Amino acid sequence: AQRVTQPEKLLSVFKGAPVELKCNYSYSGSPELFWYVQYSRQRLQLLLRHISRESIKGFTADLNKGETSFHLKKPFAQEEDSAMYYCALWGNDKIIFGKGTRLHILP
Amino acid sequence: DAGVIQSPRHEVTEMGQEVTLRCKPISGHNSLFWYRQTMMRGLELLIYFNNNVPIDDSGMPEDRFSAKMPNASFSTLKIQPSEPRDSAVYFCASSFRRSEAFFGQGTRLTVV
Repeated sequence: AQRVTQPEKLLSVFKGAPVELKCNYSYSGSPELFWYVQYSRQRLQLLLRHISRESIKGFTADLNKGETSFHLKKPFAQEEDSAMYYCALWGNDKIIFGKGTRLHILP
Repeated sequence: DAGVIQSPRHEVTEMGQEVTLRCKPISGHNSLFWYRQTMMRGLELLIYFNNNVPIDDSGMPEDRFSAKMPNASFSTLKIQPSEPRDSAVYFCASSFRRSEAFFGQGTRLTVV
């Protein structure tokens, strides 16, 4: 089965605190994983992909095949990080999204 | 390239009316996806095309929904007849092979 699970619907974090958005996947092949961000009333846009291993806006994500996880992390949250975050997996022939986690940064 | 273009941006219609949403993917992309986004259900994949051919429409909620892709640069999602529970934001996305998906701005549909 191909599945992406984001266990938290809402995550509230104080400004300056570390952020971790959880993502677990189920896929029998070699996964290609992405994180997308959606700011209020805007389109989804790519935040980062596991292949590039880059850091965007201070966010990083490491693929852990043993735990089948691809958690998104940032050491110090900023108010502009408030948004909806989606983890996605390229399955056999389609992109599968998790339900999303709403990140709310508290002042 | 202007990115994925969707029209209209907003649509308000009465229950029972036909609604047609349009999407122009990025030139050269060979996969096209239609998603529906609601607060309750999040982002749902309705149907996707590969090289203009519908591959999986299992996410289409009912027979009232239909989608076409007559050529590589145009796709439509039609709802006939529309119902209030169809109110949502509908996104179109395109990608090239297994690269990132690029999303359109979405169509906010309200059925009254």
